[in-house]
Amino acid sequence: AQTVTQSQPEMSVQEAETVTLSCTYDTSENNYYLFWYKQPPSRQMILVIRQEAYKQQNATENRFSVNFQKAAKSFSLKISDSQLGDTAMYFCAFMKPYYGGSQGNLIFGKGTKLSVKP
Amino acid sequence: ETGVTQSPTHLIKTRGQQVTLRCSSQSGHNTVSWYQQALGQGPQFIFQYYREEENGRGNFPPRFSGLQFPNYSSELNVNALELDDSALYLCASSSSQAGETLNTEAFFGQGTRLTVV
Repeated sequence: AQTVTQSQPEMSVQEAETVTLSCTYDTSENNYYLFWYKQPPSRQMILVIRQEAYKQQNATENRFSVNFQKAAKSFSLKISDSQLGDTAMYFCAFMKPYYGGSQGNLIFGKGTKLSVKP
Repeated sequence: ETGVTQSPTHLIKTRGQQVTLRCSSQSGHNTVSWYQQALGQGPQFIFQYYREEENGRGNFPPRFSGLQFPNYSSELNVNALELDDSALYLCASSSSQAGETLNTEAFFGQGTRLTVV
């Protein structure tokens, strides 16, 4: 069974600075997907960034980038130029591809509460 | 806004009662997944519906059941409610095609906060 571990329950960062959130996972699969989701107080899960395991290049989305280390089973999220609106819970998630015509389910970590301070 | 709507937003039920939660998926999406998020935890997969059939289930007892309708909206039913069922229930919709190793983004609704007293 796959597991996802986020070892930082809470983190804080000053506005405009950079912060890195950690995530490790355990799987015997070779092909899979990794995600970072943001959950603000509005409760709606929002996809921040996605990484396919077969791609060696780290994914980037504007101020968000990942450091994907497949051998170490590590998937950290770096937020540059932090903004007050980045304050939220951040969840790392794993998904195994499902070839039966539907999407596989997401396996989430317990989350990291990020506070961006002015 | 993702186009995924859940109702109701909040609900209080008594232990032993039954509850139905509803999810309207985003237009064009044929797959709906349900997750339970207990306070301070990450979401846990309950089950998934694809083209009106259950297509995968997490470690939840049979008193958690669901339906998907021809318009791909979905219901989550929980019978014999227990105090531990108190949680945020999230619905996520996505689009899949048979035979493809498709991985599209799952769009989440804002959830239903269920409190069992």
